[in-house]
Amino acid sequence: AQRVTQPEKLLSVFKGAPVELKCNYSYSGSPELFWYVQYSRQRLQLLLRHISRESIKGFTADLNKGETSFHLKKPFAQEEDSAMYYCALRGGGFKTIFGAGTRLFVKA
Amino acid sequence: EAGVAQSPRYKIIEKRQSVAFWCNPISGHATLYWYQQILGQGPKLLIQFQNNGVVDDSQLPKDRFSAERLKGVDSTLKIQPAKLEDSAVYLCASSLEANVLTFGAGSRLTVL
Repeated sequence: AQRVTQPEKLLSVFKGAPVELKCNYSYSGSPELFWYVQYSRQRLQLLLRHISRESIKGFTADLNKGETSFHLKKPFAQEEDSAMYYCALRGGGFKTIFGAGTRLFVKA
Repeated sequence: EAGVAQSPRYKIIEKRQSVAFWCNPISGHATLYWYQQILGQGPKLLIQFQNNGVVDDSQLPKDRFSAERLKGVDSTLKIQPAKLEDSAVYLCASSLEANVLTFGAGSRLTVL
């Protein structure tokens, strides 16, 4: 069965502090992992995907198959990073399933 | 390119009434998804279409929910009869080759 777990519902950090949003997955095959973000009053949108191996808005995420994790990191948080972040997995049947989400709040 | 269009944006109905949501995906996107997002939860996949065929509807409560995608373009999601627990945001998304999802603004349903 496919499953995505985001253990933190809320993460609050100060501006300039490092951020790590955790994501663990369960899938027997080779998954494709994504991070989606929803800013206030905006649509859910793609932030990054593991196969791109790129940094978007200073965020990076590394797929760790041994630990079945895909944590999202940023070395210095900005106030504009405050949003809802969802980890997603595309696996069997090309289904994309989402975790419950983590709300990131960056304090000034 | 134009985004994924959804309507209505908001709908309030009494329980046991029916409601329909409409989605127009990005032109050329073969895959269309309907997700249900209950407050405080992540999006839950209800149904996935590839062109006008159903790829997955394992989580669709088929006794009350139905969806169709005519001619492989627009799609409608219907709930009949609605229950209180159906109160949620219904998100439509489309993708090219079942990969990166582009979401619509969502349709917020309140069942009283």
